[in-house]
Amino acid sequence: TQLLEQSPQFLSIQEGENLTVYCNSSSVFSSLQWYRQEPGEGPVLLVTVVTGGEVKKLKRLTFQFGDARKDSSLHITAAQPGDTGLYLCAGEPAGANSKLTFGKGITLSVRP
Amino acid sequence: NAGVMQNPRHLVRRRGQEARLRCSPMKGHSHVYWYRQLPEEGLKFMVYLQKENIIDESGMPKERFSAEFPKEGPSILRIQQVVRGDSAAYFCASSPTTGASYEQYFGPGTRLTVT
Repeated sequence: TQLLEQSPQFLSIQEGENLTVYCNSSSVFSSLQWYRQEPGEGPVLLVTVVTGGEVKKLKRLTFQFGDARKDSSLHITAAQPGDTGLYLCAGEPAGANSKLTFGKGITLSVRP
Repeated sequence: NAGVMQNPRHLVRRRGQEARLRCSPMKGHSHVYWYRQLPEEGLKFMVYLQKENIIDESGMPKERFSAEFPKEGPSILRIQQVVRGDSAAYFCASSPTTGASYEQYFGPGTRLTVT
């Protein structure tokens, strides 16, 4: 069973601070997605990375896929209260047929 | 372009009743996935379907749970004789027919409460 470990589990920061959170596994993934989920809603896809070492930017969010395609990081610059939410990483295991494995998520709270 | 639609958003059932959850994928998507999310746990894969075919049901409990995606109409996740442990949020996702099939887009979920 491929597991995705996300850290830290909880993070509370002040508006304007920078942060980096992680998604780690001992398994290789064909692709990795980051989602954000608000209470009572479904996960919203933020980004997909597929190539080892790939970096993608989405406004103040920077996503990186590890060279070995086993881990990923999400960096947020100058966090804002609107960034508050649950951040989930999900991976498609190598050789699997689109079945995503999810981490338990990182609960981010940005204080005004 | 409408997103993935799920209904009902909230469903309350007594123990022993049946629950039917519906999912309409995004336009142009023919792959449908069902996931379950329990409190304090991550999303767990249940089943992957294409039109009229179950591709992977390795995450489905062996009893009481079934899923279908007919040629016409929404995908249905059916839970027979519900028990309290079935209380959870059930999410449906869809992905494109061609291209980036690994990019899954989620619906708002159905929150099932078994009393």
